[in-house]
Amino acid sequence: GESVGLHLPTLSVQEGDNSIINCAYSNSASDYFIWYKQESGKGPQFIIDIRSNMDKRQGQRVTVLLNKTVKHLSLQIAATQPGDSAVYFCAENGISFQKLVFGTGTRLLVSP
Amino acid sequence: DAGVTQSPTHLIKTRGQQVTLRCSPKSGHDTVSWYQQALGQGPQFIFQYYEEEERQRGNFPDRFSGHQFPNYSSELNVNALLLGDSALYLCASSLAVHGNQPQHFGDGTRLSIL
Repeated sequence: GESVGLHLPTLSVQEGDNSIINCAYSNSASDYFIWYKQESGKGPQFIIDIRSNMDKRQGQRVTVLLNKTVKHLSLQIAATQPGDSAVYFCAENGISFQKLVFGTGTRLLVSP
Repeated sequence: DAGVTQSPTHLIKTRGQQVTLRCSPKSGHDTVSWYQQALGQGPQFIFQYYEEEERQRGNFPDRFSGHQFPNYSSELNVNALLLGDSALYLCASSLAVHGNQPQHFGDGTRLSIL
């Protein structure tokens, strides 16, 4: 079945460092991926997405990399700030319908 | 521009009761999906509504049902509540066009079953 997982449950970094959050997916037919940020007491907030015809996509301070060969996705956050502290989820979007399959998440802790 | 809104924010029920949760999609969106998020886990897809019909369903029992109204808002109903139904219930909306696009989430309803 479909599954999306993360390698590291918790990532601790210092303010100003670059952060990398990794994700593995199992469905080789997946063609769309999304990163969400979830703060305590809030719903998931869209960060960035990428389609399978791309290897890299950049946003403001964030970059998503997709390696289809090994079914791996990563989120890079430049100059991490305390406000970036949250749980980050990668999600796979089904091809036919907009069903999201989430992993368990990675908690990012940013120390000042 | 209002985002996805859900009500109520918190709810406490006892086993065997029934509950209705409500969601208003982001302006311009016509598709609503519901997710269950247990503590410390990622959201799990329950079902999706489009054009007032259930379009896709996840691995949830028939105790979970829903509805979508002509104004695109939606309800999630859960019957015969179990302790294991305690979770954060999230609503997400999107626009049904060809091609994938991100879903936008509300802040959820925290349901506690005693």
